[in-house]
Amino acid sequence: NAGVTQTPKFRILKIGQSMTLQCAQDMNHNYMYWYRQDPGMGLKLIYYSVGAGITDKGEVPNGYNVSRSTTEDFPLRLELAAPSQTSVYFCASSYGIDTGDTQYFGPGTRLTVL
Amino acid sequence: KQEVTQIPAALSVPEGENLVLNCSFTDSAIYNLQWFRQDPGKGLTSLLLIQSSQREQTSGRLNASLDKSSGRSTLYIAASQPGDSATYLCGPSGGSNYKLTFGKGTLLTVNP
Repeated sequence: NAGVTQTPKFRILKIGQSMTLQCAQDMNHNYMYWYRQDPGMGLKLIYYSVGAGITDKGEVPNGYNVSRSTTEDFPLRLELAAPSQTSVYFCASSYGIDTGDTQYFGPGTRLTVL
Repeated sequence: KQEVTQIPAALSVPEGENLVLNCSFTDSAIYNLQWFRQDPGKGLTSLLLIQSSQREQTSGRLNASLDKSSGRSTLYIAASQPGDSATYLCGPSGGSNYKLTFGKGTLLTVNP
């Protein structure tokens, strides 16, 4: 199993540009999450999904959009990039069935907005 | 709203020493708590998961404990090695979406 994969690894955007961060998992997990990590800080939840076609906001959703058309994929869309979105973005997934489920994380996408 | 504090923020120890990392959280209504390791520029690697009904979990040289009622967890690392150098994050899981809430982590340096 590849686990949770993310592309790209690095990206530099200009203010106002758009991009999509890709996330895929091959573990047949129901739950998928997007977090961001700012320097010296913990991770904060942006959006999450409990299954295909179902998404909901997390703690810091402004400026982002998501979709979940398949169990495997959970892309994160930035429509109008701003310097405040400079961060490292992590995708995670889990079964979400019971209290023993581990969340697995991808390697992250490092985004810089100039 | 769940808030997580990790103490100390940074720790430097000589190789071979036993050490304890502390995690406290404000909302005791959690499903489980995970300890993660993060190497510089890398993603999070899950080390241990303690379910809310459990008191501790062990994996090799690592032992994690959970006192849900007091909102505390500790990660004990025995006989530390330079390869243990990393940032350690704790994440209690709660809510209908099992989301994790993270502290800022503890940066551990083990000196040869």
